[in-house]
Amino acid sequence: LAKTTQPISMDSYEGQEVNITCSHNNIATNDYITWYQQFPSQGPRFIIQGYKTKVTNEVASLFIPADRKSSTLSLPRVSLSDTAVYYCLVGGARQLTFGSGTQLTVLP
Amino acid sequence: EAEVAQSPRYKITEKSQAVAFWCDPISGHATLYWYRQILGQGPELLVQFQDESVVDDSQLPKDRFSAERLKGVDSTLKIQPAELGDSAMYLCASSKDGTLNQPQHFGDGTRLSIL
Repeated sequence: LAKTTQPISMDSYEGQEVNITCSHNNIATNDYITWYQQFPSQGPRFIIQGYKTKVTNEVASLFIPADRKSSTLSLPRVSLSDTAVYYCLVGGARQLTFGSGTQLTVLP
Repeated sequence: EAEVAQSPRYKITEKSQAVAFWCDPISGHATLYWYRQILGQGPELLVQFQDESVVDDSQLPKDRFSAERLKGVDSTLKIQPAELGDSAMYLCASSKDGTLNQPQHFGDGTRLSIL
């Protein structure tokens, strides 16, 4: 399973765009990249998933360069309620290795 | 509110006692996962089911932990006897079929405290 590296923590202000980068140098050909969000005392919630280039949904965008050795989760115009831990997972049929995630704190 | 149902939400018990957690996945989801999450860390997979069969239990401490999914729907995770180090959040997740691009849907977990 590909190992991922993310920043431990990030701070931002309301209304700003936040970019969280995940490094996954050993990603395999069949691996997808998936991001989850977790609030205290809740289970992780699926945010977005991609294989290559760019994926966008109603809450986030995921940018994946051609070599796929990293990916960037982009959250537009964050609010206080986006304060959470964000996990990057890389894997195939079994995307089962969560790292320690990135604690994003949005400040007023 | 999570679509995957877990109970109880909180459990306090003494060491050496038995404890059980229950999970009801999203209807139609063939793959079910149990995770353990220690405070400040990411979830760690304990066991994965495909329908009623275990496909991965390599990280399950089998001397004290057991898991079953008898009819391929809901599942139970048991600890006997519980130890102080078992205090953690126990999360259940499900996905349609565990294939490449099927994300996992998590419940809100059971917070276990061992006294």
